[in-house]
This record gives sequence, C-alpha cells and structure tokens, in this order.
Amino acid sequence: GEDVEQSLFLSVREGDSSVINCTYTDSSSTYLYWYKQEPGAGLQLLTYIFSNMDMKQDQRLTVLLNKKDKHLSLRIADTQTGDSAIYFCAELNQAGTALIFGKGTTLSVSS
Amino acid sequence: NAGVMQNPRHLVRRRGQEARLRCSPMKGHSHVYWYRQLPEEGLKFMVYLQKENIIDESGMPKERFSAEFPKEGPSILRIQQVVRGDSAAYFCASRTGFTGLETQYFGPGTRLLVL
Repeated sequence: GEDVEQSLFLSVREGDSSVINCTYTDSSSTYLYWYKQEPGAGLQLLTYIFSNMDMKQDQRLTVLLNKKDKHLSLRIADTQTGDSAIYFCAELNQAGTALIFGKGTTLSVSS
Repeated sequence: NAGVMQNPRHLVRRRGQEARLRCSPMKGHSHVYWYRQLPEEGLKFMVYLQKENIIDESGMPKERFSAEFPKEGPSILRIQQVVRGDSAAYFCASRTGFTGLETQYFGPGTRLLVL
C-alpha cells in the first residue's frame, strides 16, 4: 500500500543547514509536498515538486527527488529559530484523491 | 483572499454528544478534503468532496461520521455520539477544480476534545 516514512527528530544550530528526509512507496506519485506545522496551528504549504523534476529551489529551500530510490529531501539553508516546527512530507495518492502524510519530523533549532 | 476557514477552532464535547465541524474553502475552490490528526501522528485522510458530491470516503469510519458539502454554505463534518477516541485535530483542505492544480491548502484546524 501507499506509505510515507520520515525520521522523527532533527536538531541543528542556528545558521547551519537542515536536511529532512522522506521515503515513499508509490512510484506512480505525481506530486510530492512539504508542509510545515507550528504548535497549535494548521499546515502551511512550503513547496512541492512534480515527479518529472529532480530538484526545485525556492529561496532557502531546496527539494531533491530521487525517483529510483523513492527518496525526497528538504534542505533548509541558514536555518533560523523561526524554522523550528514539524515538517510533513506527503504524496498524492494513486487515485489523485488524497494526500498520504508521513508522521512528521520535529526540527529543533538552537541559538 | 482569505484562506481556508474552519470553526470552531476548539470544541469540547462530552461522550455521547454530537460534534459539528465547519469548513469554508478558499474562494474559487470547489474541492474539499477532511483529515484527522491524532496526537503525535501525521494527518490521515478521511473524505474528499466536491459540491453536493462525495468523491472518496475511504478514510471515514463506517459509523457515526458523516460529511457534506452543500451547494451553498460550508462543508460540515459531523460526528455523532462522540467517544474519547475521537479527540483529535480535524483539518480541512481545499483546492481548485482545475486539472494539474492539485495543491491542497489547509485550514487552521478544529481541535476536538471529548471528555
């Protein structure tokens, strides 16, 4: 079945780069997403990548997609304390009717 | 352009009562999704609706849960006879109806607590 896996925690120092990794199982996924959730809040769309792309860059964010290994990563350059949050990886399901989410990676940024 | 609106933001119910959660999609969006987030978990898909139609309800529990998206007004997720296990954050998302624009935008959620 469709499944998305993420590591649960990442701790970095302010100014360093953060890399959050995700693996997914459905090779037919067309869209893959990264969402950010701050405590008590909803999900904020950070970025997405279409399956025919290998990389997408948007300011401090870089998304890398390795379709062969079904691996997705989100790199945050110059990580700030305001980046502390839970980051969710998600894929669009095969039917195109729902997002399949990972359990989220809690990013902790220390000054 | 207002984002996805959900109300109430917090809802407390006693076991056996009914919970009604409302979602107003972004302007111009005709597709609505409901997800549930249990503590320390990711979001799980519940149901996908277009105006007056349920497209996919494969994630909905078979009993006590129902959803609608009428021609006029918000989408409603209704939970009858709530139990403690229903305590969770319920998120609504919406998107346009255009093929190729699949991105879902999320509301702030309704946090349901069942006592």
